[in-house]
Parts: sequence; C-alpha cells; structure tokens
Amino acid sequence: DTGVSQNPRHKITKRGQNVTFRCDPISEHNRLYWYRQTLGQGPEFLTYFQNEAQLEKSRLLSDRFSAERPKGSFSTLEIQRTEQGDSAMYLCASSKTDSGNTIYFGEGSWLTVV
Amino acid sequence: DQQVKQNSPSLSVQEGRISILNCDYTNSMFDYFLWYKKYPAEGPTFLISISSIKDKNEDGRFTVFLNKSAKHLSLHIVPSQPGDSAVYFCAASRGSQGNLIFGKGTKLSVK
Repeated sequence: DTGVSQNPRHKITKRGQNVTFRCDPISEHNRLYWYRQTLGQGPEFLTYFQNEAQLEKSRLLSDRFSAERPKGSFSTLEIQRTEQGDSAMYLCASSKTDSGNTIYFGEGSWLTVV
Repeated sequence: DQQVKQNSPSLSVQEGRISILNCDYTNSMFDYFLWYKKYPAEGPTFLISISSIKDKNEDGRFTVFLNKSAKHLSLHIVPSQPGDSAVYFCAASRGSQGNLIFGKGTKLSVK
C-alpha cells in the first residue's frame, strides 16, 4: 500500500517567488486535505477536496494560497509572492469517505522563505 | 481560541512504565477524536481514534479514554518503549468532513 506522497520534500525560495507543492494521495482515497504546521504548533487545516470538488477553502491563509485537484487524483498547493511568514511544513493527507474522519498524512514539504 | 488543548508540552517516562498523555477540548459538538504520533521532519502517523459514542478504545499497547462530561481524553501507552519517543498530537472533528482540529502536541521521552 503506497502512502501519501509529497514533493518536493524541501524547498528554499526567495521572498516574492511563487512555489508549488504536489501531493499524490493513497490510491482509492477520494478525499484530500492540505494542512500547515509551524514550529511548536499542531497541524492547521487549510482546505480539502472530495474528488475534484474543493469543498472547503475558507481556511486558506490568504488569496496568495490556492489549491487544485483537477482530475480528482493528485493535488497542487501554490503559494504566490511568498513571504517569510510562509515558512512552514505543508502537509497533505487523504482519506476515504466511508472511513470516518481518520486521515493519513504524507511526510510533508518543508518551505523556507529567505 | 484553542478548541483542543494539550497542556503538557513534555513528558518523561521510564521504559516499561505507563505513559499517560492528556487532552482537553472545549467544543461539545466534537464527535470523533484521534491521536497522532510525529517524529521530527516527518508527517504525523495515525495511532488510534475514538468515537463520542464510546468511552474506551484499545489497540495493542495503546488505549484511548474519553470522558465527555469533562471534555477530556487521554492516551495510555503500556508498556512504554524507547521507540515511542515522539511528539503526540490530539485531534478532534465534528461531522464527517475530516478537517481536524489539533492540539499543540506533547513531546514524550522514554528512557
């Protein structure tokens, strides 16, 4: 069983640049989530998809953040005009609709904005 | 306003003894609770969960207890092993959407 796959694992970018992270969920999982985690905090929910539909995006941190899941399989999270405060671990998770609320995380993508 | 609170940032336990990690929540609408374990530079790993219709769930060395009246849950690890050393996160959700609210975590050290 292949787990949730995220890449790149690490990204260092200059302030003002755009970055994109990719997430491949566990196969047959129709729900996909993006979270962010900063030092000393728990994961913070950003957005989620059921198949290709983005059902919740009000928690995205600003209009610089956007996510897509065009074919209901992999997803991308884009951050435009990055700021130093965007430095964090971005976590993707997936689940099946009938598995309750247990979600399975990938290993995360570290972003450092310099 | 933190809806899920883990008030102990760290806990140190001897190998072979019991580890008890605590979590409090404020939203009475939460109906599903989970514990995740996280090693540095890795994503959280699901450990165990409990529905609000139960007060206990057990899986091997891990048991979660839920006290709805006190809005409190705890994770017991018996016996504790050095490999259990990690940060443990409590999480809660309501309904079936799966967007979890996490506490800040408790760092467990087993020596």
